[in-house]
Amino acid sequence: DAKTTQPNSMESNEEEPVHLPCNHSTISGTDYIHWYRQLPSQGPEYVIHGLTSNVNNRMASLAIAEDRKSSTLILHRATLRDAAVYYCILRSPGDKIIFGKGTRLHILP
Amino acid sequence: NAGVTQTPKFRVLKTGQSMTLLCAQDMNHEYMYWYRQDPGMGLRLIHYSVGEGTTAKGEVPDGYNVSRLKKQNFLLGLESAAPSQTSVYFCASTWTRDSYGYTFGSGTRLTVV
Repeated sequence: DAKTTQPNSMESNEEEPVHLPCNHSTISGTDYIHWYRQLPSQGPEYVIHGLTSNVNNRMASLAIAEDRKSSTLILHRATLRDAAVYYCILRSPGDKIIFGKGTRLHILP
Repeated sequence: NAGVTQTPKFRVLKTGQSMTLLCAQDMNHEYMYWYRQDPGMGLRLIHYSVGEGTTAKGEVPDGYNVSRLKKQNFLLGLESAAPSQTSVYFCASTWTRDSYGYTFGSGTRLTVV
């Protein structure tokens, strides 16, 4: 399974944008980049995914580097409810997803 | 639309007892997964299934068995529970295509005493 590297924790101020980085230098050409988050005492929640192009949805944006060796999850205006552990995961064709430790995001009021 | 439903939500077992955790999904997903999460750690894959009647081992399969007799259900069994199996268990499901995300259940908190 291709591996990802994320910072252990990050802090951000409420109502400001948050950029969560992820490195995946061994990504293969067919791996999708997935992001999930886990709020306290809840199951993981799908956030967004992409292959090559940047992606936007109602929750976040995903910026993928041109060489696909890194990506950034962007929360445009963080709220206290966005405090969670964010996981960056690569999904190989037909394969299961393996979770790393993720980034614990703290939002400061 | 219920999504992924896990039963029970909480359970306390004595060492050596057996139990079955049920995961049910109503989205007609092909793939289903069982993960466990221990305090302060990420999720670890126990077993998974790529379709009705199929199962496969994940990262930490020892001490668990699974069955997928119906497409919508994925059962996780503990034949002889041990304190090391105290954990929160999450079930997930998804479509076969790699471009889809996983849908997770809300978890089962299991304590083995």
